[in-house]
Amino acid sequence: AQSVAQPEDQVNVAEGNPLTVKCTYSVSGNPYLFWYVQYPNRGLQFLLKYITGDNLVKGSYGFEAEFNKSQTSFHLKKPSALVSDSALYFCAVRDARGAGNMLTFGGGTRLMVKP
Amino acid sequence: DSGVTQTPKHLITATGQRVTLRCSPRSGDLSVYWYQQSLDQGLQFLIHYYNGEERAKGNILERFSAQQFPDLHSELNLSSLELGDSALYFCASSSLWGNNEQFFGPGTRLTVL
Repeated sequence: AQSVAQPEDQVNVAEGNPLTVKCTYSVSGNPYLFWYVQYPNRGLQFLLKYITGDNLVKGSYGFEAEFNKSQTSFHLKKPSALVSDSALYFCAVRDARGAGNMLTFGGGTRLMVKP
Repeated sequence: DSGVTQTPKHLITATGQRVTLRCSPRSGDLSVYWYQQSLDQGLQFLIHYYNGEERAKGNILERFSAQQFPDLHSELNLSSLELGDSALYFCASSSLWGNNEQFFGPGTRLTVL
């Protein structure tokens, strides 16, 4: 079975400060990891993914994420937060050995960036 | 805009009724996925179709069914609706069977009264 945990329901950060949204995962085999963002009344938008290779992955809108196999984590980061980054962020995992292509999502973390 | 379209955007119906949600994947994508997003259950995978064939099932109720047609669009049928079926239903598509990211449609908000 595969699972994802996002330990923080909400993260508050001031504009211009660095932000981190945490994610830990559990899979039987090697993980494929994804971050998505959801704005109000919108679908999920893909931000970035880790499949293999460099542990630091760069994505859209200045976001990046670091894969840490020993800690089974894939935290989302951004050096300088913008008010427009305020949204709901989802981490997702897929087991590379899994028979299906289904994604398992975490519960989501609401990011609030204050001016 | 992800290129995935879903209709209708909103659907209000009564308990016991049946509804059909429609999804058109991105051009060229053979895989279609359905997810349900609700306040208490979060985002849950329902079912995956690849080129017309069912590939994986998640937490999909027996009252729910789906299919993917030869033109690759997909429909999710929900029957004998209950209040608890009220949720956002998302369709996603991806280009290949494998590790490619899934692109999500805007969703259909179903309200069961």
